[in-house]
Amino acid sequence: DAGITQSPRHKVTETGTPVTLRCHQTENHRYMYWYRQDPGHGLRLIHYSYGVKDTDKGEVSDGYSVSRSKTEDFLLTLESATSSQTSVYFCAISESRAETQYFGPGTRLLVL
Amino acid sequence: GQQLNQSPQSMFIQEGEDVSMNCTSSSIFNTWLWYKQDPGEGPVLLIALYKAGELTSNGRLTAQFGITRKDSFLNISASIPSDVGIYFCAGQYSGAGSYQLTFGKGTKLSVIP
Repeated sequence: DAGITQSPRHKVTETGTPVTLRCHQTENHRYMYWYRQDPGHGLRLIHYSYGVKDTDKGEVSDGYSVSRSKTEDFLLTLESATSSQTSVYFCAISESRAETQYFGPGTRLLVL
Repeated sequence: GQQLNQSPQSMFIQEGEDVSMNCTSSSIFNTWLWYKQDPGEGPVLLIALYKAGELTSNGRLTAQFGITRKDSFLNISASIPSDVGIYFCAGQYSGAGSYQLTFGKGTKLSVIP
């Protein structure tokens, strides 16, 4: 398995509160991604990073921000969580943009 | 944007039977990937295909990259209970600076012992 961990694995929060999810990798891969997975939608890209401090938006970036201050860590922040952000969030990594992506175990987020 | 149609959405099969699922796209891809996701886990890569017409096997799994570059199929032979899970196809077009991975919505496989 690729060395990817996500924390927390489960979180329950209230609408309007800030939430930060962490993805940590030990593979020294340049690219890191955040996806959300929802029934009927499959996996959708939120944001991705192509290096330290280099990030870009994905398909469903509204309401999310990211930061990458170190190669190994990619943080996803919900500044003010909404119920529509209840989902399972997956981090993925790849050596380059064209290379295969490997996924972490996921974080299940419930926004009440 | 690009869309992937994955079918069937779900299937129930008897242990020992063969399984076939496929994905079709409205546009071409350079790469097709097949992932399996177990409950409570992230998707795990099963097979990667990089060339139109390519046929690749991984144990009891066989996948093909369609000649038109708009489709791919995955076959599982002699299914066993641990094959249960959700199978996702994903296509990637690498060109003009775009490398986005597009996922199908998954095929949920149930195996009856």
